[in-house]
Amino acid sequence: GAVVSQHPSWVICKSGTSVKIECRSLDFQATTMFWYRQFPKQSLMLMATSNEGSKATYEQGVEKDKFLINHASLTLSTLTVTSAHPEDSSFYICSASPTSGGRQETQYFGPGTRLLVL
Amino acid sequence: GEDVEQSLFLSVREGDSSVINCTYTDSSSTYLYWYKQEPGAGLQLLTYIFSNMDMKQDQRLTVLLNKKDKHLSLRIADTQTGDSAIYFCAEMRGKFYFGSGTKLNVKP
Repeated sequence: GAVVSQHPSWVICKSGTSVKIECRSLDFQATTMFWYRQFPKQSLMLMATSNEGSKATYEQGVEKDKFLINHASLTLSTLTVTSAHPEDSSFYICSASPTSGGRQETQYFGPGTRLLVL
Repeated sequence: GEDVEQSLFLSVREGDSSVINCTYTDSSSTYLYWYKQEPGAGLQLLTYIFSNMDMKQDQRLTVLLNKKDKHLSLRIADTQTGDSAIYFCAEMRGKFYFGSGTKLNVKP
């Protein structure tokens, strides 16, 4: 149980285009999902907290207009990198906390999406 | 993750025990976690410990928590080559704060 998927697993795009990454909780509902960014050989940096049915909460220094988050259902959150540039190339990882029947302090992570912007 | 510290590398021989250490800064953290990340993959929850516990054992994994020193450790018994990965500790205080990760290399 507690499986989180991400799609796509990797994506290559041209500079200036937008890329959408999906995060799904497959066997549980998640009111709250989280988006992280990980640079090579570094730890995870929390970008934003995604709340179902409401606006996402962004961490300091993360541009909300650049990284659009939509959490339209209890099993799906999307991150759209708008007008992507090479410096946005990174490994993006989502996680989800079960809404009920589980420990809400526990996050289950997706496998990550590697984005390369040319 | 700058408030959670880990050593960057650990190298052990197959069959030995591995001990990965972590220090955190907030004694009010309710839960502390260990995650494993294999190359190119997301994070896999290994185990967690509630802050009122001193120790938790789960098969080959033993977590020790010293709240006084804000020190958390993960011991892997009979380390196997498949245990080679990066191990992150994390503390939960409203949101997750991750350490920088310890790369464990297991030599055959």
